[in-house]
Amino acid sequence: ETGVTQTPRHLVMGMTNKKSLKCEQHLGHNAMYWYKQSAKKPLELMFVYNFKEQTENNSVPSRFSPECPNSSHLFLHLHTLQPEDSALYLCASSQDEVQPQHFGDGTRLSIL
Amino acid sequence: SQQGEEDPQALSIQEGENATMNCSYKTSINNLQWYRQNSGRGLVHLILIRSNEREKHSGRLRVTLDTSKKSSSLLITASRAADTASYFCATDAVILGDLGMRFGAGTRLTVKP
Repeated sequence: ETGVTQTPRHLVMGMTNKKSLKCEQHLGHNAMYWYKQSAKKPLELMFVYNFKEQTENNSVPSRFSPECPNSSHLFLHLHTLQPEDSALYLCASSQDEVQPQHFGDGTRLSIL
Repeated sequence: SQQGEEDPQALSIQEGENATMNCSYKTSINNLQWYRQNSGRGLVHLILIRSNEREKHSGRLRVTLDTSKKSSSLLITASRAADTASYFCATDAVILGDLGMRFGAGTRLTVKP
C-alpha cells in the first residue's frame, strides 16, 4: 500500500465517451500529479497541483481536464479522446514538488 | 520536457550478480531520485541523492552522483529474481523554471533465477 489509490484500475471507452479518473491520497501531502505512461517512452508529466492550485500544465490537450477539489483528491476528466491516448495514467503525491513521490497503481486506459 | 535518460534500456543478469544502471541529465539539479516499477504497478521511490552528495546507500542499493558529468548510477548488489522491474531516475528541473520531477524512459532489469 502506497497511500495513493486510483480508480478505476482499467477503463475501456469509445472516442465519444466522457469518463473520469479518480485519485485519492491519505498521506497529508500538498502536491499531486497526473502522469501518462506509454510503452517505451519517458513518463510524461501532465499536471501538477500544489495546495489545490494548478501550478503546471505541460501542454496537455484540452480533452484532458484536471480537477482538484481538495488536497486529498484529484480527478482527470476525459472526453473525445483519441486512440493515441491509450496508456497507463498514474497519479502521485508528495509533500512538496521536489520530495519523493508516492504513486498509485494507475488506470490502464484503452480507447477504441 | 525530459530530463533524465537511463542506460541501458534493458539489462539481463543472473541471480547473485550485480546490476548497474546509469542516468544522464542535461541541466543543473537540486536532487536526483531513483524509482522502481514492477509490471502493472505504480513507481516506488528508492533513494534521493542531493546535488552536494556523491554517494548514498540503502541496503543492497548504492547510488552515486557526479554533477560535473551530469550523471548518476544505481548499483544493485547480489541481485535477486524479485529485483526484476523497471528502474527510473528522476531529476528536478528548477533551474529551467519548471516544477516537479522529470523522469526518463527507464531501464528494464531482468534477473534470472
